[in-house]
Amino acid sequence: EVQLVESGGGLVQPGGSLRLSCAASGFTVSTYWMGWVRQAPGKGLEWVANINQDGSEQYYVESVKGRFTISGDNAKNSLYLQMNSLRAEDTAVYYCARGLKVGTTTIGAFDVWGQGTMVSVSS
Amino acid sequence: EIVMTQSPATLSVSPGERATLSCRASQSVSSKVAWYQQKPGQAPRLLISGASTRATGIPARFSGSESGTEFTLTISSLQSEDFAVYYCQQYNNWPKTFGQGTKLEIK
Repeated sequence: EVQLVESGGGLVQPGGSLRLSCAASGFTVSTYWMGWVRQAPGKGLEWVANINQDGSEQYYVESVKGRFTISGDNAKNSLYLQMNSLRAEDTAVYYCARGLKVGTTTIGAFDVWGQGTMVSVSS
Repeated sequence: EIVMTQSPATLSVSPGERATLSCRASQSVSSKVAWYQQKPGQAPRLLISGASTRATGIPARFSGSESGTEFTLTISSLQSEDFAVYYCQQYNNWPKTFGQGTKLEIK
């Protein structure tokens, strides 16, 4: 079964750091574009970051550039999001998601999602 | 940044009726639009990609269409499990952007 399971969320003070993990099963992370999407409490979805198959390309929403880093670990078949200098506005459920692939072509939509991990930034 | 504007914010429809949800892109996105369904406490689920291609396992009552920068999700005969929040997303340009969502509620 294809599955993504996030972990690493929690309560952190403003200015602090957290590292989110996303363990994949049923497929190989290094053969897909992967991404993170967040959802603030009671709000809509916001794309956060994407990484390509070999990790050579990363893209970020402007509000997290320079603070967040997306990366992958082939040996652990996992995706990560290192979050530094956290702000109150980063409070959200963070979802790990897989980029849709049709044959060998990557489509930019997300076809597999994890259950999400909650990040709360507050003093 | 491409802005995706969904309308209406809330749509009240009776079971068995048709629902039509709209999404407008602020500039051309070359059919690179996806639709997602999200129920309370759950992760989003991909319904449509490429503006009109149903994802694996999605019932035929869900269909997507486009006209220029206007995109439409139609649910032909609403079932009880279809009442949820729906989001459109463009993936033609970085940053990928979502619409603000349409809540489909039971009338």
